[in-house]
Amino acid sequence: AQSVTQPDIHITVSEGASLELRCNYSYGATPYLFWYVQSPGQGLQLLLKYFSGDTLVQGIKGFEAEFKRSQSSFNLRKPSVHWSDAAEYFCAVGAYQAAGNKLTFGGGTRVLVKP
Amino acid sequence: GAVVSQHPSWVICKSGTSVKIECRSLDFQATTMFWYRQFPKQSLMLMATSNEGSKATYEQGVEKDKFLINHASLTLSTLTVTSAHPEDSSFYICSASPGRGEKLFFGSGTQLSVL
Repeated sequence: AQSVTQPDIHITVSEGASLELRCNYSYGATPYLFWYVQSPGQGLQLLLKYFSGDTLVQGIKGFEAEFKRSQSSFNLRKPSVHWSDAAEYFCAVGAYQAAGNKLTFGGGTRVLVKP
Repeated sequence: GAVVSQHPSWVICKSGTSVKIECRSLDFQATTMFWYRQFPKQSLMLMATSNEGSKATYEQGVEKDKFLINHASLTLSTLTVTSAHPEDSSFYICSASPGRGEKLFFGSGTQLSVL
């Protein structure tokens, strides 16, 4: 069975500082990996995804993530955080299906941004 | 870009009543849609996979008779919470994909509060 672990429940970072969110997965085959961001009371917005190819993936809003198969990790990074980045971030692994991906989500990491 | 519309955004109902939540893909057809549930400060848990023209596939532990799913057309799936109770209060989110390998698009979610 697939699973996703996000070890950090909360992270507080100063505006302008760098951010790294950890994600570890367990999956029996080649994983399809995603990072989503959720603002309070809102749905999810896809930041980036990894299917294959280059292990460093660029996403929206200045985010990037690196797939490391040897470590079963897919950590999300941003060099300089903006106050608007305060939100909940979810890592997910997908089971490839004929019509869309069935996702298993990690527990989420809440990011707080200090002025 | 592809949009998934979810309605209503929030609903308050009395215990014992039924509540219907709609999920529409506005600019693409989706043979499959997914319904997730999110408790406060927790991750999203997949409840069921909605299949157009056939029965939904429920995840283990999800009551089929409690959470009725109807996927009557290629652009509409509905989730009906029957005889709702306070423990059903949660944030429900749907998602859909235009097709094979495509990313998922999420609705903005429905906050259900059962009194």
